[in-house]
Amino acid sequence: QQQVKQSPQSLIVQKGGISIINCAYENTAFDYFPWYQQFPGKGPALLIAIRPDVSEKKEGRFTISFNKSAKQFSLHIMDSQPGDSATYFCAAITGRRALTFGSGTRLQVQP
Amino acid sequence: DSGVTQTPKHLITATGQRVTLRCSPRSGDLSVYWYQQSLDQGLQFLIQYYNGEERAKGNILERFSAQQFPDLHSELNLSSLELGDSALYFCASSGGQGSNQPQHFGDGTRLSIL
Repeated sequence: QQQVKQSPQSLIVQKGGISIINCAYENTAFDYFPWYQQFPGKGPALLIAIRPDVSEKKEGRFTISFNKSAKQFSLHIMDSQPGDSATYFCAAITGRRALTFGSGTRLQVQP
Repeated sequence: DSGVTQTPKHLITATGQRVTLRCSPRSGDLSVYWYQQSLDQGLQFLIQYYNGEERAKGNILERFSAQQFPDLHSELNLSSLELGDSALYFCASSGGQGSNQPQHFGDGTRLSIL
């Protein structure tokens, strides 16, 4: 059973544009929502994370928006650059459990 | 560089064989997690160890086992390998057990079963 649903599966954005990736979760016990960035041949790298008591978190060009009532959260990449081309995973975790990942979004930023 | 080291980077073997994947966590991290990444299943949690003790199990097959040693490195043992076991296997580590402890991933071991 997929507890974190991620969309879109793939995304093409022009350089300088905004990339938006959405995730929805089912388990209301989740209390930490990280985003990971993965380049080919590398492991997932923690990008940014948020807790459900915060509606938005911004770090540089990356922003997480969180809607607790809708059980949805999204990643916005402002001023997208070709170097941002990677696969992005949303994830969720509760307590001492391991991460539950979304299915991933392959982002391609065209120059 | 995440500080998590996995060896080997690539492993090619045949069906029915047994392999061992190794993970050295970041210095000071007590928790080690193993994940499997395949095209059809995505990133799936296998098993977690904390300071040498098993703490959580995910979708780990009975043919798979793991352990964490006193020096905190961990090994994932895969036996009676099948073609479907071909995947990337990632190890992650964190400082503790709680959700507020970010997990840092190694670059994985790519396992190919011929």
